This record gives sequence, C-alpha cells and structure tokens, in this order.
Amino acid sequence: NAGVTQTPKFQVLKTGQSMTLQCAQDMNHEYMSWYRQDPGMGLRLIHYSVGAGITDQGEVPNGYNVSRSTTEDFPLRLLSAAPSQTSVYFCASSYPGEGETQYFGPGTRLLVL
Amino acid sequence: RKEVEQDPGPFNVPEGATVAFNCTYSNSASQSFFWYRQDCRKEPKLLMSVYSSGNEDGSFTAQLNRASQYISLLIRDSKLSDSATYLCAVSPRDDKIIFGKGTRLHILP
Repeated sequence: NAGVTQTPKFQVLKTGQSMTLQCAQDMNHEYMSWYRQDPGMGLRLIHYSVGAGITDQGEVPNGYNVSRSTTEDFPLRLLSAAPSQTSVYFCASSYPGEGETQYFGPGTRLLVL
Repeated sequence: RKEVEQDPGPFNVPEGATVAFNCTYSNSASQSFFWYRQDCRKEPKLLMSVYSSGNEDGSFTAQLNRASQYISLLIRDSKLSDSATYLCAVSPRDDKIIFGKGTRLHILP
C-alpha cells in the first residue's frame, strides 16, 4: 500500500492563479480531509468528506473547493490563489467512526507570490 | 473558546525527566481523542488514542478527564528522540477531527 499520496510536493503560484492539489489513498478509507498548517496556528480543517459524493466545510473553507467523485481521490482546488494561502497542506484519510486513526500524506508546500 | 486548546510551549526538559501536557476541548459531546506526534517538516503521525480508562504505550501515558474536558499526555524517562511537536486531536462527532495547535517539546542532553 502506498498509503496517502499528495502531489505536488512543492508549488509556487502567482496571485490569481488557480491550481489543484491532488490527494489519493489506496486503503479504501471513506473519510478524507484537507488541513492547512501555518506557523503558530496548528492544523486547521479546510474541507472533509465522509464518502464519495459527500463533502462538507471545515474551519477555514473560504477560497477552496473540493469534490469526491471516487473513494480514492480528494482533490483540493484553489480558484484564485492569494498570498494568505501560502501554507503547508496535508491530506488525511481514515475509516469513519470513533477511535479511527487518521493517516496523513507527506504534505504540499505552497507559496503564493 | 476554541474547540481544542493546547499550551504551545516550548517545553525544554532535560533527558530522563518526566513531562506532561494537557489539552482542553470545548464540546462535551466529543467522542474520540488522540495524541499525534509531528517532527519538523513532516506529517503528523498517530502516537496513541486516548481511552476513558487511560492507557499506556511504553513511556507514554494518556488520560481522559471528561468532567473537566481535557486529555493529558505524560512522558516518563524522556529521550532525545522524544523531541517533537505533540498535537492533540478531538472528534466532536464521527465525521470530523479537530486538532490543537500543538505543544513543542525539546529534550535537552
């Protein structure tokens, strides 16, 4: 199993550009989520999904879109990048239910100029 | 009040010492509790789940206090390799998990 994979590892964008951060998992996990991590702010939940076709907003959803057309993939779209979106983005997946471990991908480091 | 709060530290403790962190949560209906470890520039990894009766894993002990709405992590006989950021995570319901900001721990030789 590859676990949770994220691409790209690093990305530099100009303000106003759009891009998609890819996340895939091969563990047949129903639950997937996106977090951003900024210095001193910890992990903040952007969007999450409890299964294919179902998504919901987290703590900081503005400026991001998600979709979940398959169990395996959960892409995060930045429609018009802003410098405030400079961050490290982590995707995570787990089985739903109490006590289930979240498995994180290696992260995408994004710089918006 | 934030959903999950932690003291950011840093905690600087000598090798071999015992150190403890707390993490408070605001939603009394929270069901699941976890401690994650994150090394610099790496992804978080599960250290241990926290059960109502408390649980141990080697030199790590986790406790849950539902009445006061906090979880704790105790590290005994700390090692240099225990230096990391420790994140608590709380699931207010089955479909999302909220993390604290993390507590930085430095074990000093």
